[in-house]
Amino acid sequence: AQTVTQSQPEMSVQEAETVTLSCTYDTSESNYYLFWYKQPPSRQMILVIRQEAYKQQNATENRFSVNFQKAAKSFSLKISDSQLGDTAMYFCAFSRGWSGGSNYKLTFGKGTLLTVNP
Amino acid sequence: GAVVSQHPSWVICKSGTSVKIECRSLDFQATTMFWYRQFPKQSLMLMATSNEGSKATYEQGVEKDKFLINHASLTLSTLTVTSAHPEDSSFYICSARESGRATGANVLTFGAGSRLTVL
Repeated sequence: AQTVTQSQPEMSVQEAETVTLSCTYDTSESNYYLFWYKQPPSRQMILVIRQEAYKQQNATENRFSVNFQKAAKSFSLKISDSQLGDTAMYFCAFSRGWSGGSNYKLTFGKGTLLTVNP
Repeated sequence: GAVVSQHPSWVICKSGTSVKIECRSLDFQATTMFWYRQFPKQSLMLMATSNEGSKATYEQGVEKDKFLINHASLTLSTLTVTSAHPEDSSFYICSARESGRATGANVLTFGAGSRLTVL
């Protein structure tokens, strides 16, 4: 079974600054995906960024980037130039990399509540 | 982009009644859908994997007879909370993966969620 751990229940950052959210995971799988999802007050889950485990290059999406350390099983999210709209709960998630049915299911961490202050 | 519609967004019911929540993929077909439950300020817990045309696969500890899942078509999965009680009050979220997408795109699209309050 896979586990995902987020050790920071809450964080805050000033607008325009940079913040890093931590995530570690445990798995015996060799093929898998890691994700960061954002859940704003509306509670709609929004995909922020995705990383394939077989790719060494860290994923980036505009102001969002990850630091993927496969050997250490670490997957942190860096948000640059933080904006007020980034205020949300952020979940780190894992899924197996194989195709078909339950392989697509996501295992979530407990989340980190990020508040961006003006 | 892919859109998943969930209905109702909010439902209040009396204890002992049954409530049905629908999850529809609007612009894609989904062989597999997932149902999650989220308590306030907590993470999403997977309840079951909904498989089109076959029985759902429930996670350990989830009562199959309490939470009935039906996935009768490639665009619709339903979750029925039977004989609901106050402890069933929660936020229920569905997600779906577009069928036929190339391997390497394990991205799920989420519905907006359904808040259930049982009085």
